[in-house]
Amino acid sequence: GQNIDQPTEMTATEGAIVQINCTYQTSGFNGLFWYQQHAGEAPTFLSYNVLDGLEEKGRFSSFLSRSKGYSYLLLKELQMKDSASYLCAVYKAAGNKLTFGGGTRVLVKP
Amino acid sequence: GAVVSQHPSWVICKSGTSVKIECRSLDFQATTMFWYRQFPKQSLMLMATSNEGSKATYEQGVEKDKFLINHASLTLSTLTVTSAHPEDSSFYICSARGSGVGGGTDTQYFGPGTRLTVL
Repeated sequence: GQNIDQPTEMTATEGAIVQINCTYQTSGFNGLFWYQQHAGEAPTFLSYNVLDGLEEKGRFSSFLSRSKGYSYLLLKELQMKDSASYLCAVYKAAGNKLTFGGGTRVLVKP
Repeated sequence: GAVVSQHPSWVICKSGTSVKIECRSLDFQATTMFWYRQFPKQSLMLMATSNEGSKATYEQGVEKDKFLINHASLTLSTLTVTSAHPEDSSFYICSARGSGVGGGTDTQYFGPGTRLTVL
């Protein structure tokens, strides 16, 4: 089976930095996705990490350590519109599917 | 690129009726489409995976006779909730994977979701 853990909620101030951690234990692993989901909307793709290391895309960066079963999403220069749920998802090619963590609700305060 | 549409956006129906939800990839060919269900404040739960022209693979606990999936072409998949009951009320989201899109062939792109309310 697969076990994917991320914090339930985080609160941060506008302009600050927030790091959302995701740990996973899976029987197979091909990559890790991060999605953003605003309430009542579908998830939108943020990043995909296959190899160890940090990938930066503007204000958002994602890190992966395959040996530790660990990833994080870093949100910099937080804006009010960043208030959303952030979902990490493990991709397993065998079985061809994504398994999602429970999601982390981030609340950005002025 | 990588736009996925769903129709309808929301639907309210009476208990016992059937509801069909369409999922289309608008600017790429989706070799695989996925159907998820999401209850309030919960994460996405995969219901089934379908490849064009073949039968869908359902996740454990999902009734294939209740949730009928048809993936007739590389751009269209449908989910029919048969004999819907109030406990089927949920947010249903499809996603699609294919070639020729920026995120690579592993990336799933999600439709906007369909909110189903069964009275």
